[in-house]
Parts: sequence; structure tokens; C-alpha cells
Amino acid sequence: DAKTTQPPSMDCAEGRAANLPCNHSTISGNEYVYWYRQIHSQGPQYIIHGLKNNETNEMASLIITEDRKSSTLILPHATLRDTAVYYCIVSLEYGNKLVFGAGTILRVKS
Amino acid sequence: GAVVSQHPSRVICKSGTSVKIECRSLDFQATTMFWYRQFPKKSLMLMATSNEGSKATYEQGVEKDKFLINHASLTLSTLTVTSAHPEDSSFYICSARGNLNSPLHFGNGTRLTVT
Repeated sequence: DAKTTQPPSMDCAEGRAANLPCNHSTISGNEYVYWYRQIHSQGPQYIIHGLKNNETNEMASLIITEDRKSSTLILPHATLRDTAVYYCIVSLEYGNKLVFGAGTILRVKS
Repeated sequence: GAVVSQHPSRVICKSGTSVKIECRSLDFQATTMFWYRQFPKKSLMLMATSNEGSKATYEQGVEKDKFLINHASLTLSTLTVTSAHPEDSSFYICSARGNLNSPLHFGNGTRLTVT
């Protein structure tokens, strides 16, 4: 699986958009970008995933660059409850294991 | 949908004893489940892949005789930490997917403390 690089931490003001970057320059053509988050002392929560098109769901938007070497997870209106560690993972889709990196600690502040 | 349940959520045991952790897929069948462990302020580390009806596949460095995995049905996988030591104290998390078109979902983890 391709490795990902994320900033170790970020701060965001409550109510503002949180933009979390991820670099995955060695991603292969059939690998997807997954985003999970982990709130303290809980299991990871699935957020969104995509291959090359931008994706949006009720939680977030995923913007993948045209060359697929990087992506950005966007939480449109961050709340205090969005404070968590966010993991960007690159993996083959379906049935494959997910290998977690260090992630980004997002702190949403009032 | 796609709920994964772990039990117990917390367990304290004495050194030398064995502890079993259950992982259940509540509303779907899972032919494959994954077991992770997580130390404080660290990321999740994949331990093994649990396959229904066959032997688990362990990641490099994970002792298969230490961490026994049984996946006897399509909704249940168990991880048994045998002869536990204080260094086995960790947060153990399982995950599973409902079908090939769904992402991996995780349980809420089991906090193991070995005294």
C-alpha cells in the first residue's frame, strides 16, 4: 500500500471549514483514498473514500488532485465534536486491509 | 447499518492469565475481520486478518501463539491474548466490512490492562 503524509496537527475555529491535506505521491492507479477519524478512546469512524473524482457525503467532501498525488478532506462547518485524529489511507478497494499512518490531530476551538 | 460490536470494552486481568475479546458484526455477515492494537498516543497497528473458516493471517512480528484468533462464524471473531503480560496492555480494535461494496467499519475497541 502507498504511504501517506499528513501534517501532525491542525487547529480550526468552530464553524469554519477544516481542510485536512494528505500527500500520497506513490499511489497506484487502482488504489483508493480513504479517510477515517478517531475520537479519543473510540474505534475509527469511516468518513469518505474516493478514486479520482471528488466525493461528498453528509459528513465531508473529498477533493483529489488530477494527478491523484494528493487530496484534501473538507469538513465544511467544523464543530467541537470534530476534534479527533484524522487518518488518510491509501488502499486497494474492497476486501483489503487498511494500514494506518500517524494521522492529523485536528483541534476545533471555540 | 454496518455495526461492529466489541466485548468487553474494558478488561483488567492478572499476569499469566488469558483474555478473550469478541468482535461481532451485528447487521451483516463478514467473511473477513481485522484485528488492530493501539498504544497510547500511537496509531493503529494491524495485527492479523481473521478469515471465516480458515486460519488467520498474522502480520510480521505478531506472535500467533500469543494472540489466538478464531473466526468460527460469519458474525463473530475472537482474539485471545494468552499468558498475558503487562506489556500486552493496549487498546485492541477489530474491524469488518459487510460486503465488497462497503468500507471497513470498526468496533469501539477493548482496553486491556494486565496487572
